[in-house]
Amino acid sequence: DIQMTQSPSSLSASVGDRVTITCQASQDINDYLNWYQQRPGKAPKLLIYDASNVETGVPSRFSGGGSGTDFTFTISSLQPEDIATYYCQHYNNLLLTFGGGTKVEIK
Amino acid sequence: QLRLQESGPGLVQPSETLSLTCAVSGYSIDSGYYWGWVRQPPGKGLEWIGTIHHSGNTYFNPSLQSRVTISLDTSKNQFSLTLTSVTAADTAMYYCARDPGAPGPYYFHLWGQGILVTVSS
Repeated sequence: DIQMTQSPSSLSASVGDRVTITCQASQDINDYLNWYQQRPGKAPKLLIYDASNVETGVPSRFSGGGSGTDFTFTISSLQPEDIATYYCQHYNNLLLTFGGGTKVEIK
Repeated sequence: QLRLQESGPGLVQPSETLSLTCAVSGYSIDSGYYWGWVRQPPGKGLEWIGTIHHSGNTYFNPSLQSRVTISLDTSKNQFSLTLTSVTAADTAMYYCARDPGAPGPYYFHLWGQGILVTVSS
């Protein structure tokens, strides 16, 4: 089974900071990697699909990159409404696997 | 406008069967897409449970496969989750969602609000 490891598990940053989260796969997964945002008490929301494609309506400060085993998710300028937990999610072999999540807080 | 709404009992007895329904409005589920379930134990991360294609093909998390059934009810435009032999570890928020398909499970781009299910006597 492919394991998805997200880091860090939590971070604290100031408004306007650039924030980067990483997701590492235990083996090559091409670009089969998606990212979600889950605000407190809410359902997850898709932000990025296929590693770098931004979902329609998602602010341009959100971006994703990487391929193979190492992926990044970036918020270019952290905003107060970005307080949430972010999850990567891999798809392949007819299975879905979520990473453990990264909780983003405002410093 | 497309909407997904979970329903079912909020409390289930240990060893019993958990049954949830996701009512879909604004789209006919037999027209296309994949439809799935994700759960989240309190304070923990997301776990994919399984997905059903509008044709009826199903895909499951191997860790839950022996206890899970997902089915479509096109007459009511809804799909359902059944999880047997539940324990306290199955206590979670359960979400239904729509998946465009890769084909096969891909990502969830539309979600219900979730329903909290507690397993307790």
